[in-house]
Amino acid sequence: AQSVTQLDSHVSVSEGTPVLLRCNYSSSYSPSLFWYVQHPNKGLQLLLKYTSAATLVKGINGFEAEFKKSETSFHLTKPSAHMSDAAEYFCVVSDLNAGNNRKLIWGLGTSLAVNP
Amino acid sequence: NAGVMQNPRHLVRRRGQEARLRCSPVKGHSHVYWYRQLPEEGLKFMVYLQKENIIDESGMPKERFSAEFPKEGPSILRIQQVVRGDSAAYFCASSVGAGGQETQYFGPGTRLLVL
Repeated sequence: AQSVTQLDSHVSVSEGTPVLLRCNYSSSYSPSLFWYVQHPNKGLQLLLKYTSAATLVKGINGFEAEFKKSETSFHLTKPSAHMSDAAEYFCVVSDLNAGNNRKLIWGLGTSLAVNP
Repeated sequence: NAGVMQNPRHLVRRRGQEARLRCSPVKGHSHVYWYRQLPEEGLKFMVYLQKENIIDESGMPKERFSAEFPKEGPSILRIQQVVRGDSAAYFCASSVGAGGQETQYFGPGTRLLVL
């Protein structure tokens, strides 16, 4: 079975400092991994995804994530936080169950606060 | 180029009433997924449908919940005899195909409140 663990439920950074949101996964297959962002009372937006190509994945708004198979990690980073980055971030792994039907397995989320 | 549309955005029901949530996928997408997000939690998969077929309903509660994706029209998630525990945000997503690398595009969600 596949699962996702987001290691921090809350992260607080100062504007202009680096962001690190940690995610570990377990998977019996070659996983596809995603990071989604959810702003308050808004829908979900895809930040980036890993699908077995380059291990360093660049996404929107300056975010990137590195797939490390040996560590089963897919941490999200950004060099310099902006106030508008304050949101809930979800690490997600795809589940290729029998029949190649795909559903997403979601972490519990990390709430990012950005202080002026 | 419209994305996934969900309506209503907010829905208030009293216990015992029925809730109908609608989802129109991205044009050209034939795969639809429904997820439920309880307060302060991540999303939980409920059901995966293709046109006129339920492919995977392993996340659906056994009673009161049903979903359909007819040949014409939006996908519907139906909750009969709602209870307070059904209060949550319900998100719909769609994709072009069902391969392991397909991106799912999400709608804005329907926030259901059961009084």
